[in-house]
Amino acid sequence: AQTVTQSQPEMSVQEAETVTLSCTYDTSESDYYLFWYKQPPSRQMILVIRQEAYKQQNATENRFSVNFQKAAKSFSLKISDSQLGDAAMYFCAITSYDKVIFGPGTSLSVIP
Amino acid sequence: DADVTQTPRNRITKTGKRIMLECSQTKGHDRMYWYRQDPGLGLQLIYYSFDVKDINKGEISDGYSVSRQAQAKFSLSLESAIPNQTALYFCATSDGDRKAFFGQGTRLTVV
Repeated sequence: AQTVTQSQPEMSVQEAETVTLSCTYDTSESDYYLFWYKQPPSRQMILVIRQEAYKQQNATENRFSVNFQKAAKSFSLKISDSQLGDAAMYFCAITSYDKVIFGPGTSLSVIP
Repeated sequence: DADVTQTPRNRITKTGKRIMLECSQTKGHDRMYWYRQDPGLGLQLIYYSFDVKDINKGEISDGYSVSRQAQAKFSLSLESAIPNQTALYFCATSDGDRKAFFGQGTRLTVV
């Protein structure tokens, strides 16, 4: 079975600063994918970034980047130059062949 | 138009009533999912389907059933709703890259 843990229920960051959200996971699969999704107050689920487990290079999407540590089963999200629009719930997720399993989420507040 | 459409967006129903939540997609994906979201628990998988003949239970399938009427349609039913099924429900599809595409969610309240 695959599991995802997010140990920070809530985080806050000053506007324009950098914040890192933590995620650890467990899986017995060798081939899997990791994701970060964002859920703003509108409740829409939005894909932020995706990482294939076989790729050693960390994924980057504009201000969002990940630190993927495969041996440690860690997949943290770094948000640089935080903006007010980054305030949301952030979910870490894993999938291999079938199910997509989500963590409990981290609520991020951005302080003006 | 949204790629993944859920109806209704909001629903209040009484304990013991049967209710169906519907999901349709225009993305042409084979994989479809139903999730339930509760505060502090993230999204929990209820059922998933890879085609009209392939239905699989997720983590929390008790009290729920599903029907895959076509590649594009996947409905979730609560045969006899109870208050602890009050939650936000999401339908999702996924592509070959395993990216999930979500509907707007259905806020269900059972009173």
